[in-house]
Amino acid sequence: DSGVTQTPKHLITATGQRVTLRCSPRSGDLSVYWYQQSLDQGLQFLIQYYNGEERAKGNILERFSAQQFPDLHSELNLSSLELGDSALYFCASSIRGVDEQFFGPGTRLTVL
Amino acid sequence: AQSVTQPDIHITVSEGASLELRCNYSYGATPYLFWYVQSPGQGLQLLLKYFSGDTLVQGIKGFEAEFKRSQSSFNLRKPSVHWSDAAEYFCAVGGMEYGNKLVFGAGTILRVKS
Repeated sequence: DSGVTQTPKHLITATGQRVTLRCSPRSGDLSVYWYQQSLDQGLQFLIQYYNGEERAKGNILERFSAQQFPDLHSELNLSSLELGDSALYFCASSIRGVDEQFFGPGTRLTVL
Repeated sequence: AQSVTQPDIHITVSEGASLELRCNYSYGATPYLFWYVQSPGQGLQLLLKYFSGDTLVQGIKGFEAEFKRSQSSFNLRKPSVHWSDAAEYFCAVGGMEYGNKLVFGAGTILRVKS
């Protein structure tokens, strides 16, 4: 158990819908990262937050957004969902910005 | 830009045999290197990391990796594989110059035959 929690574990929804994925980092970790894992793209970095502020952005679609709240938990919002958004979404956390990252169990999103 | 190459998609070894998983990286500065393992339906677990110093690093579950700057490699090794090591292994590179995001290789699926 890494100490990073993600909810829900599974999510099934329809195209065009909007979903919110939630992540609670390890106690004391200030940085939160979101990654997407799909069969065709592999593991891709989406976005990083550090102590509530956006720090780095990867290939995150404009339909996707994230935020980190004062209690340091983070949410990833995916809207206007398409079939291709079906993937495993991981959250990771680290103490600062330059550290090993600890991964949560992931949320498996299926878009039908 | 950063990139990671894991040339072997699948590897099969016999239980008790030694293992080496290859990883080559491309990075413009001093890299931070990681190996993660993912069991089916599970998240990613950190096996070991290299930030600086001794180029041979020890990790959990009896794994080790050696950083070779001249070859841009960070190969993972284990002297004797157990059936429970069957999983997918990911090499990753990160660092301050790129905002500490991790760039992952495509992964190597390890099968262990008894």
